Amino acid sequence: AQSVTQPDIHITVSEGASLELRCNYSYGATPYLFWYVQSPGQGLQLLLKYFSGDTLVQGIKGFEAEFKRSQSSFNLRKPSVHWSDAAEYFCAVGASGGSYIPTFGRGTSLIVHP
Amino acid sequence: EAGVAQSPRYKIIEKRQSVAFWCNPISGHATLYWYQQILGQGPKLLIQFQNNGVVDDSQLPKDRFSAERLKGVDSTLKIQPAKLEDSAVYLCASSLGGTGGPQNTIYFGEGSWLTVV
Repeated sequence: AQSVTQPDIHITVSEGASLELRCNYSYGATPYLFWYVQSPGQGLQLLLKYFSGDTLVQGIKGFEAEFKRSQSSFNLRKPSVHWSDAAEYFCAVGASGGSYIPTFGRGTSLIVHP
Repeated sequence: EAGVAQSPRYKIIEKRQSVAFWCNPISGHATLYWYQQILGQGPKLLIQFQNNGVVDDSQLPKDRFSAERLKGVDSTLKIQPAKLEDSAVYLCASSLGGTGGPQNTIYFGEGSWLTVV
C-alpha cells in the first residue's frame, strides 16, 4: 500500500522568505501526488497534483512542486510567503495501479512571522 | 457554484451515545467520500460511494460506523455507540467520478467536528 511521510511537523518562516515543505512517498510504481492546504476550521483545498509528464507542477496561490522519482519526493515550494499562507499543508499519494484515492500524510503546520 | 455542504458543524456527545452527520455533495458529482481526521493527523478515508453504491469501505469500523447514500446524492454517516477515540473532524468530499479517475479533483467540505466526552 502507498504511504506518505512529511518529516516536518512545524515550519516557521518570515513573511517574504522562500518556503519548501518536504514530502516523501512510498509506492512501487509512478504515483499520483497531491498537495492540499487546510486553513483553520476549513476543509482541504487542492493546491496542485502530478499524474505524469513534466515533473515540475504549477499550482494555485503561487505554489509549485517537483516530482523526483530518484528521491521518492514531491516537495512543495513558494518563492515568497505571505502571511495568509499560514495553514496546514498535506501531501497525499494515490496508487496509479489501483485506487487513485489520495492517502494523506500527517501534515506540516506553516507558521508565518511578520 | 455551491461547495460540499456538511452539518452539523460541531457536535459534543457523551460516550455510548449516537450521532449522525449529513453531507450534500456538489451538484452532479457521482463520487462521495467520508474521511476521518483526528487531531494532528492527516485525513483517513472511511468510505467511498459511486452514485449510491459502496466502492470502498475497508477502513470503516463497521461495528459502530455506518453510512448510506440513498438516491445517489446526499449521504449520512452515523456512529453508534460513540467512543472517546471517535473525537475527530469528519470530512465529506465529492468528485465527478466516472472514468476521469485522478483527473477529477476531490472537493472537501468544511467538516463536522465531533467531541466525545
